[in-house]
Amino acid sequence: DIQMTQSPSSLSASVGDRVTITCRASQSISSYLNWYQQKPGKAPKLLIYAASSLQSGVPSRFSGSGSGTDFTLTISSLQPEDFATYYCQQSYSTPAITFGQGTRLEIK
Amino acid sequence: EVQLVESGGGLVKPGGSLRLSCAASGFTFSSYSMNWVRQAPGKGLEWVSSISSSSSYIYYADSVKGRFTISRDNAKNSLYLQMNSLRAEDTAVYYCARDRGLITWDYWGQGTLVTVSS
Repeated sequence: DIQMTQSPSSLSASVGDRVTITCRASQSISSYLNWYQQKPGKAPKLLIYAASSLQSGVPSRFSGSGSGTDFTLTISSLQPEDFATYYCQQSYSTPAITFGQGTRLEIK
Repeated sequence: EVQLVESGGGLVKPGGSLRLSCAASGFTFSSYSMNWVRQAPGKGLEWVSSISSSSSYIYYADSVKGRFTISRDNAKNSLYLQMNSLRAEDTAVYYCARDRGLITWDYWGQGTLVTVSS
């Protein structure tokens, strides 16, 4: 199975900060990478698909980039509602779909 | 409005069985592949199983293969997960999720908690 490694595992930031979360795949996955946001007690929400495409309804402060093995999720200016856990997911090696371990974004 | 509503979770003893359901509405259910994803308490997301729109293709994670069975009834707009030989490590919130294509899950249910404990 393809292993997905996110960094950092947790992050403290302030409202208005620019934040970047990294996801690395154990082998090339082209652009088959999605990002999800999950708030406590809620289901995950799709933010970015195909590495850089913004899901409908998601604020434009979220962006994704990368291809091959290295990917990033960037939040350009943190808002209070963005404090959550973020997961990357590879959709290249099906059916063995795998997620990163998650990055918890906390308020500083 | 797309809605996915899971049900059927609960407390079950090790070795027991449980059947989860996911009722779909607001879209043409028969046109989409569907998935089950779980999340153990305080842990990350784990894909469990997928089924294609016509049930022609079915896949399982190694951790549940041989014990869980995914199915769907397109006439009833429903997805199911039959879970047998349950283990403590199967304790998790189970989500159903719609695949919009290319294993991109755009709608999720609210989840149903399965607790395996004696």
